[in-house]
Amino acid sequence: GAGVSQSPSNKVTEKGKDVELRCDPISGHTALYWYRQSLGQGLEFLIYFQGNSAPDKSGLPSDRFSAERTGGSVSTLTIQRTQQEDSAVYLCASTELHTGTGELFFGEGSRLTVL
Amino acid sequence: GQSLEQPSEVTAVEGAIVQMNCTYQTSGFYGLSWYQQHDGGAPTFLSYNALDGLEETGRFSSFLSRSDSYGYLLLQELQMKDSASYFCAVTYGNKLVFGAGTILRVKS
Repeated sequence: GAGVSQSPSNKVTEKGKDVELRCDPISGHTALYWYRQSLGQGLEFLIYFQGNSAPDKSGLPSDRFSAERTGGSVSTLTIQRTQQEDSAVYLCASTELHTGTGELFFGEGSRLTVL
Repeated sequence: GQSLEQPSEVTAVEGAIVQMNCTYQTSGFYGLSWYQQHDGGAPTFLSYNALDGLEETGRFSSFLSRSDSYGYLLLQELQMKDSASYFCAVTYGNKLVFGAGTILRVKS
């Protein structure tokens, strides 16, 4: 596609349920990032993929969070046993190779609300 | 760790010039980026400074001084559509670390 695509755009779930968020990066982009943005806050780094491997998972807040990437393309962020503090917009970004030019291409995000 | 400070909010008049600052306490980063985000939208890339000095792209200019641990984004000929959040970010390793952002409100 022309840009980074994320789904679902909105997700409302009950506390304790698992959720999966999907990201389709720009075709040919090998680097993929997940960020989290809470209301009125900046972007918090979660995880970085280069191809299918994740050399930097340092931002994942707990072992309830995991992510994978398959075929060097689509990525899924999974949150298990969701908590109310997980409510946020989850943003995916991709770039061609690495962050050498400081430019990431972001999707519009998946807004997660945990009741 | 990396820490970037930005003023929380700036208000300016249509047609004016506004400067949004970014100060940081980090070292060893590759460059400073700026992103714009409208309400409910995706952050979009504006500019990148790998070296000290001024980079100009149309109405937008960005400045970096590593010796002063300081950068800024300058917007000229402000338009109502410039009302948005603006984030600075440092490229650190393989990732971007973002500040909390400045909300710019443009008044007519």
